[in-house]
Amino acid sequence: AQKVTQAQTEISVVEKEDVTLDCVYETRDTTYYLFWYKQPPSGELVFLIRRNSFDEQNEISGRYSWNFQKSTSSFNFTITASQVVDSAVYFCVFHRDDKIIFGKGTRLHILP
Amino acid sequence: DVKVTQSSRYLVKRTGEKVFLECVQDMDHENMFWYRQDPGLGLRLIYFSYDVKMKEKGDIPEGYSVSREKKERFSLILESASTNQTSMYLCASSKGQGGGYTFGSGTRLTVV
Repeated sequence: AQKVTQAQTEISVVEKEDVTLDCVYETRDTTYYLFWYKQPPSGELVFLIRRNSFDEQNEISGRYSWNFQKSTSSFNFTITASQVVDSAVYFCVFHRDDKIIFGKGTRLHILP
Repeated sequence: DVKVTQSSRYLVKRTGEKVFLECVQDMDHENMFWYRQDPGLGLRLIYFSYDVKMKEKGDIPEGYSVSREKKERFSLILESASTNQTSMYLCASSKGQGGGYTFGSGTRLTVV
């Protein structure tokens, strides 16, 4: 069975520090998708990135970067030079066919 | 700006009432989903639909039903609301296999 683990329940960092959110997944499938979503205090989940299982190219988008490593079944998310507005709950999501699995989320506090 | 719109942001209902949560998307997405989000439990899939008049049970369908008479609208129905259905309900839509989800802003339902 598939599983998504976000071991960090809650993280606090001081503004301008870099922070990495970990995501480890379990699957025997060879074709699947992975996502990261952000849920700010307003409650709406915001799509950040999608990766399919055949695309291990890491990506940088502004202050955000993602490190997908199939060999270790990890899809980690890094925020560089964090800002208070980055404070939110971040979810890692696995999707294959009808199976959609959310991690429990990591609550990130950016302290001014 | 493409959107998923949930009809109510906050809702208070009495035990035993029939409750309708409405969700409308304007992106011509085939797939629509209903989740509930509870502290410590993360997001759990209630029902989903890949086409008009089609529905599939998610992980926790008990006590809920759904209706999809038109492509853009996906309704969640609580036939007889109970206090354990107090939760945040999130609607989402996506296009095709592995498409990123667009979420609504959520409905916080309180059953008293």
